[in-house]
Amino acid sequence: GAGVSQSPSNKVTEKGKDVELRCDPISGHTALYWYRQSLGQGLEFLIYFQGNSAPDKSGLPSDRFSAERTGGSVSTLTIQRTQQEDSAVYLCASPRLGQATSGANVLTFGAGSRLTVL
Amino acid sequence: GENVEQHPSTLSVQEGDSAVIKCTYSDSASNYFPWYKQELGKRPQLIIDIRSNVGEKKDQRIAVTLNKTAKHFSLHITETQPEDSAVYFCAASYPGNQFYFGTGTSLTVIP
Repeated sequence: GAGVSQSPSNKVTEKGKDVELRCDPISGHTALYWYRQSLGQGLEFLIYFQGNSAPDKSGLPSDRFSAERTGGSVSTLTIQRTQQEDSAVYLCASPRLGQATSGANVLTFGAGSRLTVL
Repeated sequence: GENVEQHPSTLSVQEGDSAVIKCTYSDSASNYFPWYKQELGKRPQLIIDIRSNVGEKKDQRIAVTLNKTAKHFSLHITETQPEDSAVYFCAASYPGNQFYFGTGTSLTVIP
């Protein structure tokens, strides 16, 4: 598609449950990023995909967090045994080629998935 | 790895005044510096960017300056308006690498 799509837009879950968040990036672009934004906070890097591989997953907070990407397109972020501190907006971003007059890839964000853990 | 620092964390200005937000970076290989604006409850949106072969870029009331030697870049907003109130994020990147974001500046324009 022309933009970055994320689902679900909102997810309320109980502590201890697993959740899956989905990102469908800009069509044809190989890079994909996941960020987490807690209320009133900045953009916390989680993981970066180039194609189906993740050169940098240093930002994943714990082994409860994992992400995969198949076919160089859709990515899924999975949080197991959710905790209340996992409550945040999870943003996916994909570079859109040539949108900047600088010639660089412009990072375009999806609308995010708001996760609330009760 | 890259480290981006952003100041100030909050900024209040009177409508019509100018606002300046500053960022520093650590990796001399970074060559692309975008600025994002995030309004409450919305996604970050690119407002202006600059590459390292350019020292300054302007788009209407916003401008970005880059000092490669000192490794810092700044966002300048002139004639501020209430709709400029938002959180602004700077970032640094180079091809094939991830984007490193600053911690954000919450700008309030007082009517």
